[in-house]
Amino acid sequence: KNEVEQSPQNLTAQEGEFITINCSYSVGISALHWLQQHPGGGIVSLFMLSSGKKKHGRLIATINIQEKHSSLHITASHPRDSAVYICAVGKQKLVFGQGTRLTINP
Amino acid sequence: GAGVSQSPRYKVTKRGQDVALRCDPISGHVSLYWYRQALGQGPEFLTYFNYEAQQDKSGLPNDRFSAERPEGSISTLTIQRTEQRDSAMYRCASSLHKAGSSTDTQYFGPGTRLTVL
Repeated sequence: KNEVEQSPQNLTAQEGEFITINCSYSVGISALHWLQQHPGGGIVSLFMLSSGKKKHGRLIATINIQEKHSSLHITASHPRDSAVYICAVGKQKLVFGQGTRLTINP
Repeated sequence: GAGVSQSPRYKVTKRGQDVALRCDPISGHVSLYWYRQALGQGPEFLTYFNYEAQQDKSGLPNDRFSAERPEGSISTLTIQRTEQRDSAMYRCASSLHKAGSSTDTQYFGPGTRLTVL
């Protein structure tokens, strides 16, 4: 079993839908990161959180430390949100999930 | 530059050759990380530096892989006697603070895609 598991692996939705991507981990963490990998391959850090909830624009990330679970939500999804979303946990040495490939159709 | 840069962006080499991959972190960033990402997979940790000191190299697959950051800025990941299984995207990232003393955002470079024929 991987130390960081994401679900679903692939997600296709229509523009405007509310999106949820889940991340469960089995290792102890100091922080959890959500990353976005663009179709061109670049990786951008979206959030780093160790408790509670963070919001940036249409993106919301939550974490439940007791349950070792985090979710990334996208409200009013748009085709430009299409990307691979990666969860990573750890301190200086990050352990990554396999990623969730999100496709938003117009 | 404004972000993390890596060179070359693409490298094709023959099996058995040595390759050197370069990472230029954001100016002033203390920590530098190397990751490898196989096609369709998430990144995996290779090694990281605080300033010029290599703190953890537990992710390096074997002794053909080495990394250095002699002046605490630019880093080089070297793969000796390359094998086809080394083909992957090699990414570096940097963060402002010293890894281990705080956890902060890592800024990723565009990666070097290595293909070993």
